Amino acid sequence: GAGVSQSPSNKVTEKGKDVELRCDPISGHTALYWYRQRLGQGLEFLIYFQGNSAPDKSGLPSDRFSAERTGGSVSTLTIQRTQQEDSAVYLCASSSSAGGGTDTQYFGPGTRLTVL
Amino acid sequence: GNSVTQMEGPVTLSEEAFLTINCTYTATGYPSLFWYVQYPGEGLQLLLKATKADDKGSNKGFEATYRKETTSFHLEKGSVQVSDSAVYFCALSVSGANSKLTFGKGITLSVRP
Repeated sequence: GAGVSQSPSNKVTEKGKDVELRCDPISGHTALYWYRQRLGQGLEFLIYFQGNSAPDKSGLPSDRFSAERTGGSVSTLTIQRTQQEDSAVYLCASSSSAGGGTDTQYFGPGTRLTVL
Repeated sequence: GNSVTQMEGPVTLSEEAFLTINCTYTATGYPSLFWYVQYPGEGLQLLLKATKADDKGSNKGFEATYRKETTSFHLEKGSVQVSDSAVYFCALSVSGANSKLTFGKGITLSVRP
């Protein structure tokens, strides 16, 4: 079946511009996560959506970052006024979990963001 | 807070060599433990997991045992292949409000013929 998809696969932007990254989770998965992987670093948690509940935004690094999830499916991560330190691979993952912690998260291929 | 520490890399081995990649963790609560792998040009995928102490996860010849007494989840394989060349990430998740994964920094494994 179809896995998690993300678009675009690569994005190059100029400092100060806004960008939108899209994630399409596995159909039927209620949990959706965004992570960021900066060069030489592990993955950092950004935000979590579970069904229709309010998202957990505890990992967002600044108020320039925001995310939405429409209709419990597709999610968009928006970065406003991009900075060079935002350059990273942004990964989306989905899970059928209801917060149990034991379930597998399935990752998309990522969006590589480069801020010039 | 939660954290995962992996041994420093990169690691280069000859085909058929024995592999150990160390992973230790700190967690508030009772974590589940995971190894994820990223092959060249591909996305991150689950390699194996263990959800309680003394459980052994295994897949594709890889194994890791959840050791609560040493807070470790070391990855092992008896005989590596060139196709095992990839980046390996150790991670944990604690059930609760978001069950996010906390990752180690990852280690690059290169296997030469």
